Amino acid sequence: QKEVEQDPGPLSVPEGAIVSLNCTYSNSAFQYFMWYRQYSRKGPELLMYTYSSGNKEDGRFTAQVDKSSKYISLFIRDSQPSDSATYLCAMSPVTSGTYKYIFGTGTRLKVLA
Amino acid sequence: NAGVTQTPKFRILKIGQSMTLQCAQDMNHNYMYWYRQDPGMGLKLIYYSVGAGITDKGEVPNGYNVSRSTTEDFPLRLELAAPSQTSVYFCASSLQFRRQPRSNTGELFFGEGSRLTVL
Repeated sequence: QKEVEQDPGPLSVPEGAIVSLNCTYSNSAFQYFMWYRQYSRKGPELLMYTYSSGNKEDGRFTAQVDKSSKYISLFIRDSQPSDSATYLCAMSPVTSGTYKYIFGTGTRLKVLA
Repeated sequence: NAGVTQTPKFRILKIGQSMTLQCAQDMNHNYMYWYRQDPGMGLKLIYYSVGAGITDKGEVPNGYNVSRSTTEDFPLRLELAAPSQTSVYFCASSLQFRRQPRSNTGELFFGEGSRLTVL
């Protein structure tokens, strides 16, 4: 079993739709959870960050962490064509002194105008 | 600030050749990383460094070497290139680890990538 599982998509939605992106994980030591957005032929950029469990909202984006189910989600409201990208989840345990992020495989999202 | 700069952006190598991917950051970050990204496989950590003179292996270090002589630079060396090393390579940096997340999110800042093909 992979430490982090993410549906690769591609996921196509109409403009204005609510998008739900998900990752599951197996390592209960993970404490840092992140979502990165990667446009084609670019490096990933941090979109949302959550420590431990709970929800976090930033504009049209909401990140949720359910540690009891080992499940994290990213919701995008009122999706726009500019949201078309690959979304990578990443997580890391609290280790002795480094960030060792484990990345999901990424979900390709296409928002159709 | 340029952030994280990688060179070259593209390179084609023949089997058995060697090369160095360059990475430089101007954010005074202690931590630097090299990842490779293959289709459908996500990002895999090759090597990382927590400061000048200190490096350590990640998940997939075989066939690669790194050095960190300065805070700014973290080159990745490929010796005896193989087709399995065809990939997109990303360098990243971050602030020093902190157990108190409010003082440091642990964000990784990535370069734009180096696309390597080994034929």
